[in-house]
Amino acid sequence: SQKIEQNSEALNIQEGKTATLTCNYTNYSPAYLQWYRQDPGRGPVFLLLIRENEKEKRKERLKVTFDTTLKQSLFHITASQPADSATYLCALPGGSYIPTFGRGTSLIVHP
Amino acid sequence: SAVISQKPSRDICQRGTSLTIQCQVDSQVTMMFWYRQQPGQSLTLIATANQGSEATYESGFVIDKFPISRPNLTFSTLTVSNMSPEDSSIYLCSVSMGTTAYEQYFGPGTRLTVT
Repeated sequence: SQKIEQNSEALNIQEGKTATLTCNYTNYSPAYLQWYRQDPGRGPVFLLLIRENEKEKRKERLKVTFDTTLKQSLFHITASQPADSATYLCALPGGSYIPTFGRGTSLIVHP
Repeated sequence: SAVISQKPSRDICQRGTSLTIQCQVDSQVTMMFWYRQQPGQSLTLIATANQGSEATYESGFVIDKFPISRPNLTFSTLTVSNMSPEDSSIYLCSVSMGTTAYEQYFGPGTRLTVT
């Protein structure tokens, strides 16, 4: 069955460092992959979409890579700030392109 | 993007009762979606609500337990019926929009606790 794996352990980093989060998937051949941010008590917020023919995509301090051979996406936040602390969700298209979400990885940026 | 509101934001209910959650979008959309997020878990799609037709339910979810209405292109309701403590969860509605139409925009969620 299709599976999306994100590290369930929280990632703790110091302010100013680069945070790197991983999303691995199995039994998928996705045309694209998405990343969302979720703050406590709020719904997820769409951040980035990367297509299968794009190796890398950037948006401000965010960078996403997509390796369809490894079946993996990496999500980087450079010059991280305490305000970046949140849970980051990876999502792949399911039936009718409705996203299926991973469990998310909690990022904690310490000042 | 879309602005989505949900009511109520939270509720504490007794087992055996029902709760109806409302979702309002600030623009017309074809499809609206209802998700459940249990503590520490990912979002699970409950159903897709299309205006003018019956909702399409995912495996493990049935209309008798989660009836959905979609009276127009900006509004939907989800009812959690005959609740048990296992229904305690966050319920979120969402819509697909954006340049690719694949981006999901979510409401703030309804936190339901069943005692």
